[in-house]
Amino acid sequence: EDQVTQSPEALRLQEGESSSLNCSYTVSGLRGLFWYRQDPGKGPEFLFTLYSAGEEKEKERLKATLTKKESFLHITAPKPEDSATYLCAVREESNDYKLSFGAGTTVTVRA
Amino acid sequence: EADIYQTPRYLVIGTGKKITLECSQTMGHDKMYWYQQDPGMELHLIHYSYGVNSTEKGDLSSESTVSRIRTEHFPLTLESARPSHTSQYLCASSAPGQGYNEQFFGPGTRLTVL
Repeated sequence: EDQVTQSPEALRLQEGESSSLNCSYTVSGLRGLFWYRQDPGKGPEFLFTLYSAGEEKEKERLKATLTKKESFLHITAPKPEDSATYLCAVREESNDYKLSFGAGTTVTVRA
Repeated sequence: EADIYQTPRYLVIGTGKKITLECSQTMGHDKMYWYQQDPGMELHLIHYSYGVNSTEKGDLSSESTVSRIRTEHFPLTLESARPSHTSQYLCASSAPGQGYNEQFFGPGTRLTVL
């Protein structure tokens, strides 16, 4: 059973064209939801942790939000350097330190 | 910036060979993890460790084994590599701050078994 589903699988944007990525999750008790950025051939890089519905975090052109069933990663006025795969992961209260990852959304920003 | 290292970065090897993927971190983190990632797919946890002399199997069944003799070192070993082991292997670590929530990842080892 999939715990984390990300959509869309791929997103092509023009530079400056804002958009949102979705992460839907199914867990019995959420201990935290995490966003990572992964560049080709590299390991994931931590971006945000969200703990409760209504929480928001921002970093440069990225803003993450959380509801009881899903999280959104908003990219405002993206630049080509924002091109990457964005991964969402959740940690359940019943799991010690283990993260369940989605398959990611690959974002390509054209100049 | 996270200091977690993996070697080799790329490995092409024949079936039946024994291989060890190295992972080291200089942050003094007690929790360490190994993930397997195929192209376009989720990361799957295959092993983790709470600290020295602690190792646990993850959610994805794996024929690999791990050891944790020193805090900074968490190697993964395949006794007899097979083509089905071809994948990217990612090592990560975390610390008590914020409840171990932030995991720092190494650059990964891309393994190809012929």
